[in-house]
Amino acid sequence: ELKVEQNPLFLSMQEGKNYTIYCNYSTTSDRLYWYRQDPGKSLESLFVLLSNGAVKQEGRLMASLDTKARLSTLHITAAVHDLSATYFCAVDTEGGSQGNLIFGKGTKLSVKP
Amino acid sequence: ETGVTQTPRHLVMGMTNKKSLKCEQHLGHNAMYWYKQSAKKPLELMFVYNFKEQTENNSVPSRFSPECPNSSHLFLHLHTLQPEDSALYLCASSQVGTVYEQYFGPGTRLTVT
Repeated sequence: ELKVEQNPLFLSMQEGKNYTIYCNYSTTSDRLYWYRQDPGKSLESLFVLLSNGAVKQEGRLMASLDTKARLSTLHITAAVHDLSATYFCAVDTEGGSQGNLIFGKGTKLSVKP
Repeated sequence: ETGVTQTPRHLVMGMTNKKSLKCEQHLGHNAMYWYKQSAKKPLELMFVYNFKEQTENNSVPSRFSPECPNSSHLFLHLHTLQPEDSALYLCASSQVGTVYEQYFGPGTRLTVT
């Protein structure tokens, strides 16, 4: 059974600081997704990582994938309040039903002035 | 309308009621999904439809009955629900292919009394 673990689950950080969210998964996969969810809102796609060593950046967020270590990271640079949200990673099982995403529990990020 | 829409946005129903949730995608995708999001569990995939055919049913109780009449519409029929079924129900769609990036609707907040 594929398991996806995120840590930390809660993160409170000050504006201007850097931090990394980790996403570990338990079996081989060649696709990893990062989503953002604002309170009371739906999920917004942030990044799609499709191969080992993939790195994508958008603004203050950078995501990377290491399929050998079964690890993805979401790095936050110089955090601002607008980044406060819950961030989910999701894994699509290799060789499994395509589109069957398994989500982590989410990391609730709070950026304080 | 653009993206993925869901109606109603909020629903309160008694345990003996029958109701339906509706999802429509305006993205030209050919796969649609139902997810359940509750406070106590990670986002759970309930049903997957590829090309209108159900391909996944992750051990969902029979009181939830999906229907996908075409690739743009997805319904979730509800009957004799339990209070623990109260949750946010999210619909998503994607294009079958190499990426499977899923686009989510705003969700229906369901309360079972």
